[in-house]
Amino acid sequence: QQPVQSPQAVILREGEDAVINCSSSKALYSVHWYRQKHGEAPVFLMILLKGGEQKGHEKISASFNEKKQQSSLYLTASQLSYSGTYFCGAAQNDYKLSFGAGTTVTVRA
Amino acid sequence: NAGVTQTPKFQVLKTGQSMTLQCAQDMNHNSMYWYRQDPGMGLRLIYYSASEGTTDKGEVPNGYNVSRLNKREFSLRLESAAPSQTSVYFCASSVGPPRLDTQYFGPGTRLTVL
Repeated sequence: QQPVQSPQAVILREGEDAVINCSSSKALYSVHWYRQKHGEAPVFLMILLKGGEQKGHEKISASFNEKKQQSSLYLTASQLSYSGTYFCGAAQNDYKLSFGAGTTVTVRA
Repeated sequence: NAGVTQTPKFQVLKTGQSMTLQCAQDMNHNSMYWYRQDPGMGLRLIYYSASEGTTDKGEVPNGYNVSRLNKREFSLRLESAAPSQTSVYFCASSVGPPRLDTQYFGPGTRLTVL
């Protein structure tokens, strides 16, 4: 079952912060975050594992609430390069990732 | 390292035609995946191969077949293309299961079925 992302879109000015949320109705093993620019492949940002381990991007942070099956991605001091569509992927078993519909982030100068 | 490569980049088919999408990775990854991406739908898993010699259905397998040719290559075949299969197709690979490891995506194949 597809996780739900919110908001669907957000517009920021350079230097502003934003939070993207991802929630699932099923128990999760881990949550992945990817960013996709128009016409390109998704690029890995971060993976959050049960137990609190995180692997990924140094300048982007995220949280994973295992009990609530929720994850949040924090964009801090946004830059123009942060523009794109952000997807969360929920690992509900070993090999299947279910992706949310995406959150489009536009950062303006 | 080229990472994950896909061919072709673009393809136009007529309804009923068949074709094979090719994917290869040079990262010595064990697992490989095929996704399709439609506007507003995010990525949906078609098939995956946990390891060489194994394949399993994902969320939307109908109308597709796959072959894990060797550790490097994973192909996706459309036997009789339909307009509903118009989409962008991404191949991905990972060292281990996505429960624990990140997936790396190829550049995609943009397929139009008329």
